[in-house]
Amino acid sequence: DAGVTQSPTHLIKTRGQQVTLRCSPKSGHDTVSWYQQALGQGPQFIFQYYEEEERQRGNFPDRFSGHQFPNYSSELNVNALLLGDSALYLCASSLPGFRYEQYFGPGTRLTVT
Amino acid sequence: SQQGEEDPQALSIQEGENATMNCSYKTSINNLQWYRQNSGRGLVHLILIRSNEREKHSGRLRVTLDTSKKSSSLLITASRAADTASYFCATLVEADTGFQKLVFGTGTRLLVSP
Repeated sequence: DAGVTQSPTHLIKTRGQQVTLRCSPKSGHDTVSWYQQALGQGPQFIFQYYEEEERQRGNFPDRFSGHQFPNYSSELNVNALLLGDSALYLCASSLPGFRYEQYFGPGTRLTVT
Repeated sequence: SQQGEEDPQALSIQEGENATMNCSYKTSINNLQWYRQNSGRGLVHLILIRSNEREKHSGRLRVTLDTSKKSSSLLITASRAADTASYFCATLVEADTGFQKLVFGTGTRLLVSP
C-alpha cells in the first residue's frame, strides 16, 4: 500500500516565477492538506481539499492556490515567488476533516533565489 | 501564527533514559496530535488524544492532556538512538463556523546518544 507521495523532491526557482507541486494521497484517503514548513519551524497550514474543492484555508495570500483531481491527487501552485517562499512543502492525506490522523508525504524542498 | 509551544526546544539524553516533552496551547481544541519528524523529512503521526481523554498509551509512548491547563505532555520511555528526531504537537482548532485548522507547535528537538 503506497503512502503519500510528492513530486518533485527538490526544486530551485527564481523570484517572480511560478511553481507547481504535486501530491498523491494514501490509498483510501480523499482529503489532502498542504503545509509550509520554514527551517526550524513547525508546519503552517495552507489549505485543505475535499471533493475537489478547497474546504479550509490558512493565512496564506492568494498567490497560493491549489487543485484536487477526481482521483484525489492534488497540486499546489505558487505564483510570483518570493524569497520567503523558500521552505519544505508538505502534503498530508486523511479521511475528511482533521478529526483523524494526517499521513504526510516526504515533502518538496523549494528554494527561491 | 503558531498556537502550540513545545518545551523544551531541545533535549539531549542517553539511551535508556526517558524523554518528556511538553506542549501548551491557547484556544479550545477538539483533539491534540503528536508527530515525529526526522531530519526535515515528512512527519509521522504518533498518537491522537481527544479533548475528553486524559491519557493515552502506544508502545513506549505515553501522552497526557490537561484541558484546564491547556497543556499536553509526551513521554518516551527507554529511549533509543532511533528516537532522535523533532517532535511536534498539533491541535485541532474548530470554529463555530465549522472552519477547522490543524495548528502545529514549534517542536522539540530530541537527541538520544548511544
